[in-house]
Amino acid sequence: QKEVEQDPGPLSVPEGAIVSLNCTYSNSAFQYFMWYRQYSRKGPELLMYTYSSGNKEDGRFTAQVDKSSKYISLFIRDSQPSDSATYLCAMTPPRSSNTGKLIFGQGTTLQVKP
Amino acid sequence: DGGITQSPKYLFRKEGQNVTLSCEQNLNHDAMYWYRQDPGQGLRLIYYSQIVNDFQKGDIAEGYSVSREKKESFPLTVTSAQKNPTAFYLCASSQRGRGFNEQFFGPGTRLTVL
Repeated sequence: QKEVEQDPGPLSVPEGAIVSLNCTYSNSAFQYFMWYRQYSRKGPELLMYTYSSGNKEDGRFTAQVDKSSKYISLFIRDSQPSDSATYLCAMTPPRSSNTGKLIFGQGTTLQVKP
Repeated sequence: DGGITQSPKYLFRKEGQNVTLSCEQNLNHDAMYWYRQDPGQGLRLIYYSQIVNDFQKGDIAEGYSVSREKKESFPLTVTSAQKNPTAFYLCASSQRGRGFNEQFFGPGTRLTVL
């Protein structure tokens, strides 16, 4: 069983829809929770990161962490065709300040249709 | 502009050849990383380096080698011992220390074995 599970999709939605992307994890000691966006044939870029349980909002994006359920989500409101990309969740294992290691999910491919 | 550059963008290798992928950063980051990405999979860590002249194996180091002679550079060699090297390779860098340290990614190199 992988430490971080993410449905690879693909997920196709109409423009303007609310998108929900999710990851589950098995290690309750994970510390930071991140969402990266990766356009086709490009390197990933950090969208948001959170540390504690709860919600964090940035424009149309909301990151949610539920540590009791070991579940994180990324919500995209008013989705746009430019949001079409692969979204990767990532987490830092314990003592990662010594190594910088990240554990990534498989990534979910999102297509927003005009 | 500060950032991470990777070259070449596309690389073709014959069976039995060693090839070297370049990664350079001008962000003054101490830590650098190499990841491999396969279709439908997240990023898997090959090697990482927290300081010059020191590097550690990641989760899938077999068949790869690295060097870190300069802070700005972290080249990756894919050796003939790597049984399935066709993949998308991503280099990243970050600051070190406690707390959250964002990893910045380069544009990637796509390696194909002929």
